[in-house]
Amino acid sequence: DTAVSQTPKYLVTQMGNDKSIKCEQNLGHDTMYWYKQDSKKFLKIMFSYNNKELIINETVPNRFSPKSPDKAHLNLHINSLELGDSAVYFCASSPMGPRYGYTFGSGTRLTVV
Amino acid sequence: AQSVTQPDIHITVSEGASLELRCNYSYGATPYLFWYVQSPGQGLQLLLKYFSGDTLVQGIKGFEAEFKRSQSSFNLRKPSVHWSDAAEYFCAVGAEGNEKLTFGTGTRLTIIP
Repeated sequence: DTAVSQTPKYLVTQMGNDKSIKCEQNLGHDTMYWYKQDSKKFLKIMFSYNNKELIINETVPNRFSPKSPDKAHLNLHINSLELGDSAVYFCASSPMGPRYGYTFGSGTRLTVV
Repeated sequence: AQSVTQPDIHITVSEGASLELRCNYSYGATPYLFWYVQSPGQGLQLLLKYFSGDTLVQGIKGFEAEFKRSQSSFNLRKPSVHWSDAAEYFCAVGAEGNEKLTFGTGTRLTIIP
């Protein structure tokens, strides 16, 4: 069983479209995250939810909207996609607190054309 | 604010040789420190972590790291690398009361026969 699973793995779409990425974890963790990895491999946090409550919202355009229907799921919806949104998006989860580190999904490679 | 510096963008090592990847952090209190590895097209896998206790920590795949508070460093070592160790390595720092991990820019490791 995959601990943190993301779908889709690849997403190619045109500018201006709206798309969603889904994430599910079966580890029983309380906290989930979205990170963006750019073409230079730099990882930057976007959002974090703890038990369905938003706790981190970094400086991200409001075209990006996370949703957590329950503590095992965290989805990312992106409106009006732009070329600069092309990146790999990683979902991660952790038990309470940062000392345990994260378990990452395998990533969603988003390409906007 | 916490930050992480990985001074080496790319390191090339011969198979069987020893390895040391550098990581320096900036944080006022005792940090939580992590090393992750990312193979091409994959998510990040936790190699090892430090949050208290013995400053020399052992991880998976034969890796170890040493926390040196006086040097604000958490360098990753392996006595003898294998071709399968070729990947991108990320150092990360976290702290109690701050849910997010901050990642370094990564070091790409190439193994030559």
